[in-house]
Amino acid sequence: AQTVTQSQPEMSVQEAETVTLSCTYDTSESDYYLFWYKQPPSRQMILVIRQEAYKQQNATENRFSVNFQKAAKSFSLKISDSQLGDAAMYFCAYRSPWGETSGSRLTFGEGTQLTVNP
Amino acid sequence: DAGVIQSPRHEVTEMGQEVTLRCKPISGHNSLFWYRQTMMRGLELLIYFNNNVPIDDSGMPEDRFSAKMPNASFSTLKIQPSEPRDSAVYFCASSLIGPAYEQYFGPGTRLTVT
Repeated sequence: AQTVTQSQPEMSVQEAETVTLSCTYDTSESDYYLFWYKQPPSRQMILVIRQEAYKQQNATENRFSVNFQKAAKSFSLKISDSQLGDAAMYFCAYRSPWGETSGSRLTFGEGTQLTVNP
Repeated sequence: DAGVIQSPRHEVTEMGQEVTLRCKPISGHNSLFWYRQTMMRGLELLIYFNNNVPIDDSGMPEDRFSAKMPNASFSTLKIQPSEPRDSAVYFCASSLIGPAYEQYFGPGTRLTVT
């Protein structure tokens, strides 16, 4: 079974600075999908960014980018120019490829609580 | 465009009572998921449906939990009888079928069993 580990329960960053959240995963599959979700205090789960394992290029979405290291099974999230609205719990998630019985299952990490200081 | 709709948003019930959580997926989505979030276990998938058919219910904790999807626009998660350890936030999510598609989450139902 796949596992996802986020080793940083809490992180903090100054407004306008850059912060990196870590995520590692364990899998024997060669093709899969990785996601970062944000959960603000409203508890709404919001997709931040996603990465297909077959793509070597790291995904970017405005101020959010990932560092995907397939061999190391590492998938970190970098938030640049942090804003107060970025304060939230961030979850890393893994999804198996299509065709597996668990193909649509999202396996989540434990989460990292990000605080943005003004 | 309305997102995933869940009701109720909050539910407080006594141990032993039946609880029914409801979900309306995004129109056109044909895959629906039920997740549970607790401090101890984090976010975990309970069950998911493709085209209204349950595909994987291995995450359903025990026989007290049941889920149905009678049509493409409605699903229920029922707990009978409820226990204090069932207290959690329950999320419903929907997507198009396929692992590349984004899952859109509802606002969740916070269940408290006393």
